[in-house]
Amino acid sequence: AQTVTQSQPEMSVQEAETVTLSCTYDTSESDYYLFWYKQPPSRQMILVIRQEAYKQQNATENRFSVNFQKAAKSFSLKISDSQLGDAAMYFCAYRFNSGNTPLVFGKGTRLSVIA
Amino acid sequence: GAGVSQSPSNKVTEKGKDVELRCDPISGHTALYWYRQRLGQGLEFLIYFQGNSAPDKSGLPSDRFSAERTGESVSTLTIQRTQQEDSAVYLCASSFSRDRGRTFGSGTRLTVV
Repeated sequence: AQTVTQSQPEMSVQEAETVTLSCTYDTSESDYYLFWYKQPPSRQMILVIRQEAYKQQNATENRFSVNFQKAAKSFSLKISDSQLGDAAMYFCAYRFNSGNTPLVFGKGTRLSVIA
Repeated sequence: GAGVSQSPSNKVTEKGKDVELRCDPISGHTALYWYRQRLGQGLEFLIYFQGNSAPDKSGLPSDRFSAERTGESVSTLTIQRTQQEDSAVYLCASSFSRDRGRTFGSGTRLTVV
């Protein structure tokens, strides 16, 4: 079974600084997707960034980028120039690319941004 | 609608009562998912609907849980004889297909007292 592990329950960062959130996963598959979701107090899950496993290039979305290490099964999220609005729970998620496979989520990292 | 709408936003119920949670997906989205999020935890998959195909119920934790969806419209998640362990946020998401990005609703926070 696939599992996703986020080893940092809480992180904090100074405004305008950079922070990296860790995620590791376990799978025997080679074709899959990885995601980072943000969950603010409104509870709605917002997709931050997505990575296809077959792509070697790390995904980037504005201030958000990932470090995807397929062999190590590691998928960390880097947030640059942190803003107060980045404060939220961040969840790493995995999905096998076949059939009706659901997302498998980690337990999340709570990010605080200090002004 | 513009987004995925869930109702009620919050629900407090007595142990042993039945509850029904509603999800209005984005118009045209054929896929609909239900997830459960316990306090301090990630999301657990419950059930998946894709068009008129038989739903994937593999994540339902017990036979007290059931869900329905007619075509590509509203879905209801029903929990019978609620237990305190059912207290959680129940999130719904929809997408054009299983391979497309999911849009989540804001969830229903269920508290069983």
